[in-house]
Amino acid sequence: NAGVTQTPKFQVLKTGQSMTLQCAQDMNHNSMYWYRQDPGMGLRLIYYSASEGTTDKGEVPNGYNVSRLNKREFSLRLESAAPSQTSVYFCASSASEGYTFGSGTRLTVV
Amino acid sequence: QKEVEQDPGPLSVPEGAIVSLNCTYSNSAFQYFMWYRQYSRKGPELLMYTYSSGNKEDGRFTAQVDKSSKYISLFIRDSQPSDSATYLCALVRGTYKYIFGTGTRLKVLA
Repeated sequence: NAGVTQTPKFQVLKTGQSMTLQCAQDMNHNSMYWYRQDPGMGLRLIYYSASEGTTDKGEVPNGYNVSRLNKREFSLRLESAAPSQTSVYFCASSASEGYTFGSGTRLTVV
Repeated sequence: QKEVEQDPGPLSVPEGAIVSLNCTYSNSAFQYFMWYRQYSRKGPELLMYTYSSGNKEDGRFTAQVDKSSKYISLFIRDSQPSDSATYLCALVRGTYKYIFGTGTRLKVLA
């Protein structure tokens, strides 16, 4: 009963480095999302995928790219990390009522 | 002005107290209203989901929506130390437009 699995759980990057955050869900949900959570800002949508093969920008997409690899997997890539991207990143999936979130990736960019 | 306002707390109550958590919003287009609970260093989990004005009860939890006043509440009866967490309201318009509150941190003291 895994739900939404995110890897890695923690990561420290140097400015300019790249990395990919992985997300997989086993609930056969069509829609998947990437959010970032910052103190005082709440959860903000980065990108979402309504179904396999489609992706759309959310509220804060700059500096990120995504890939919906198949129905289960939705990855988030930082091509050139900046200190402003220090945050906690959550992946989520949904079928109808509400989201199921993963446990998050804590990313620090120094 | 933010679309959703939520007092960040912290809110400290003794065990057994009735807790009231609230969000106000400005856009009457919101159709669905949710409450999520987030434990420290975990992802949010869906607690309550409603789409109409009035009350919805689930065990010790009651969600209340007042669309005319643009005000939603979550009541927790007989609060327990295990209820200590951050509570996020989420308002939805359309299919993918979720707006999250910044969360209220609750501490239930044994």
